[in-house]
Amino acid sequence: KQEVTQIPAALSVPEGENLVLNCSFTDSAIYNLQWFRQDPGKGLTSLLLIQSSQREQTSGRLNASLDKSSGRSTLYIAASQPGDSATYLCAGGGTSGSRLTFGEGTQLTVNP
Amino acid sequence: GAVVSQHPSWVICKSGTSVKIECRSLDFQATTMFWYRQFPKQSLMLMATSNEGSKATYEQGVEKDKFLINHASLTLSTLTVTSAHPEDSSFYICSASRGNQPQHFGDGTRLSIL
Repeated sequence: KQEVTQIPAALSVPEGENLVLNCSFTDSAIYNLQWFRQDPGKGLTSLLLIQSSQREQTSGRLNASLDKSSGRSTLYIAASQPGDSATYLCAGGGTSGSRLTFGEGTQLTVNP
Repeated sequence: GAVVSQHPSWVICKSGTSVKIECRSLDFQATTMFWYRQFPKQSLMLMATSNEGSKATYEQGVEKDKFLINHASLTLSTLTVTSAHPEDSSFYICSASRGNQPQHFGDGTRLSIL
C-alpha cells in the first residue's frame, strides 16, 4: 500500500526566497507523481505531473523532480510571491488512470 | 483544459437528511470518477471509484449504504450522503478521468450537518 509523506507540514518564508517542498513515497512502483495546489476552501489545481519514466518537469517558476529509487519528489519554487501562499499536495498514482494517494500537504505562507 | 464542475459548493442541512452532490465533466467523457473526502487540516482520502455503468468500488471503512454513488453517464456522477450526521461534515471533492489520462478535480463541496 502506497504511503505518501510531506515535509515540512508548514513553511513561512519572505517574498523572493527560493524554496523546496519535499514529498516521499513508500512504493517505488509509482506510475506518476503529481503536485497540486489547494487554496483555502477550494478544490485542487494541478501544477505538475511527472511520469515514472521522467526525472523532472518545469512550469514557469516551478520545477518538480522525481527520484523513484529513493522514493522522493521535490517541488522547487523560485522567487516566491505572496500569491504562492497555499497548501501544496503531492500525490502518487498507481497504474494509469487509477487512484491517487495524497500526502498531507505543506502549508506555505509567503510574506510580503 | 478539462473542466469538472461540482454542485453544490456549500450545503448546510439538518441531521438525518440526505444530501446529493453532483460531479460533471463539462468538456470530456469521464470513464472513471473518484470521490474524496477531506477533513480540516488533513489530506484527501479516497472514498470510492466509479466507472460509468458499473457499481462503485469503495475503499475500506467507507460505508457503501451510507454513501451512495451513481455514475449513470459519461459526464455525471452523484454522491448521496444518506441520513447525514454531524460527523459526516467534511469537504467532498470529486475528480474525473478519461482512460489513461490524469484526473481533473472539481472545486469541492463543503457539507455541514447541524
